[in-house]
Amino acid sequence: DADVTQTPRNRITKTGKRIMLECSQTKGHDRMYWYRQDPGLGLRLIYYSFDVKDINKGEISDGYSVSRQAQAKFSLSLESAIPNQTALYFCATSDLRGGGATDTQYFGPGTRLTVL
Amino acid sequence: TQLLEQSPQFLSIQEGENLTVYCNSSSVFSSLQWYRQEPGEGPVLLVTVVTGGEVKKLKRLTFQFGDARKDSSLHITAAQTGDTGLYLCAGATAGNMLTFGGGTRLMVKP
Repeated sequence: DADVTQTPRNRITKTGKRIMLECSQTKGHDRMYWYRQDPGLGLRLIYYSFDVKDINKGEISDGYSVSRQAQAKFSLSLESAIPNQTALYFCATSDLRGGGATDTQYFGPGTRLTVL
Repeated sequence: TQLLEQSPQFLSIQEGENLTVYCNSSSVFSSLQWYRQEPGEGPVLLVTVVTGGEVKKLKRLTFQFGDARKDSSLHITAAQTGDTGLYLCAGATAGNMLTFGGGTRLMVKP
């Protein structure tokens, strides 16, 4: 079974609709992230959470909100979807190793969202 | 403005050829990671380099971190069709957050 799962895998919606993308992990990691991927732009951070009570904005949080329902669950919402939010969305988790070491991020399979 | 510039953006080569992908920045990173992403999947970590000048080898892949910790390269020797994918570099900044480059899409033809 996959350690990081995302639902749905694909979604087509219309402008103005509210959309929720869900992420679940069985890795037991405290840190969770939401990124969007656009061609040629790599991955850009939307929101991140270091534990259940911690939520932080990333580079491109406008138009998005998140909820950390439990250690294992982190959902991303688009309150009123617009066409330029069409992208691949990835959830990731990591475990703080400390001592200056860089976390390894473990990514889910992605959600392809199309906003018409 | 992207902090990390990857080049080339696209690369199409024949099986058996060598190639190098570059990741450049004007910023210093505490470490740099390389990920590989296949269609329909999320990125998977290949390597982390931490020390300026560090070289790491993973079978036919050689990763180097620049002396000033601002740039990195990935060299693949004798590419195989299984190397096809999107290669992403990511620099670790304050708070251990990652900034990703735009990616290099590699196609290895048989």
